[in-house]
Amino acid sequence: GNSVTQMEGPVTLSEEAFLTINCTYTATGYPSLFWYVQYPGEGLQLLLKATKADDKGSNKGFEATYRKETTSFHLEKGSVQVSDSAVYFCALSFSSGSARQLTFGSGTQLTVLP
Amino acid sequence: EPEVTQTPSHQVTQMGQEVILRCVPISNHLYFYWYRQILGQKVEFLVSFYNNEISEKSEIFDDQFSVERPDGSNFTLKIRSTKLEDSAMYFCASSEASRVLFFGEGSRLTVL
Repeated sequence: GNSVTQMEGPVTLSEEAFLTINCTYTATGYPSLFWYVQYPGEGLQLLLKATKADDKGSNKGFEATYRKETTSFHLEKGSVQVSDSAVYFCALSFSSGSARQLTFGSGTQLTVLP
Repeated sequence: EPEVTQTPSHQVTQMGQEVILRCVPISNHLYFYWYRQILGQKVEFLVSFYNNEISEKSEIFDDQFSVERPDGSNFTLKIRSTKLEDSAMYFCASSEASRVLFFGEGSRLTVL
């Protein structure tokens, strides 16, 4: 079956540090890949996505590149802020069928200290 | 910006009681979903709904669960007889034909 594996947290960084959260997937075929973010007390929000190999998703200074050869979609940010403190979820989905079922990773808690 | 809204934000119930969680999806979306997140665990797919019927459901979504779109705007999840292990955050989501799901803020269910 399909699965997503994320690096385990929690991750604690100082402000302006470089962030990498690793994500790899297992799937038959070529899924779309997503990063969702969950700020404290809020729901899941789409951060960025990529729908095919070599696509780069980007938003709010975050980036992730769809790497088919390594089945990865690592999240990066060059300089994190305290406001980036949240839980980050990697996810995949397939376009076939009427449903848009997402398979999530376990989430990575990020804390950014001032 | 349009958003998915969920009520209640938190519900506490006794084991064996029925619970209905409500969601108002984004108005022009056609696909609706429920996910849940048990504390400290992954977000898990429960069910998807399209064209007034369930299109997919997971093994979690057993006979205790049902979904309904009663009036063209609400999308509800009913748990017929709650168990302790149903305690979780329940997320509603909706989407257009694209693959992007928009989630609500969640309804926290606590079963005592």
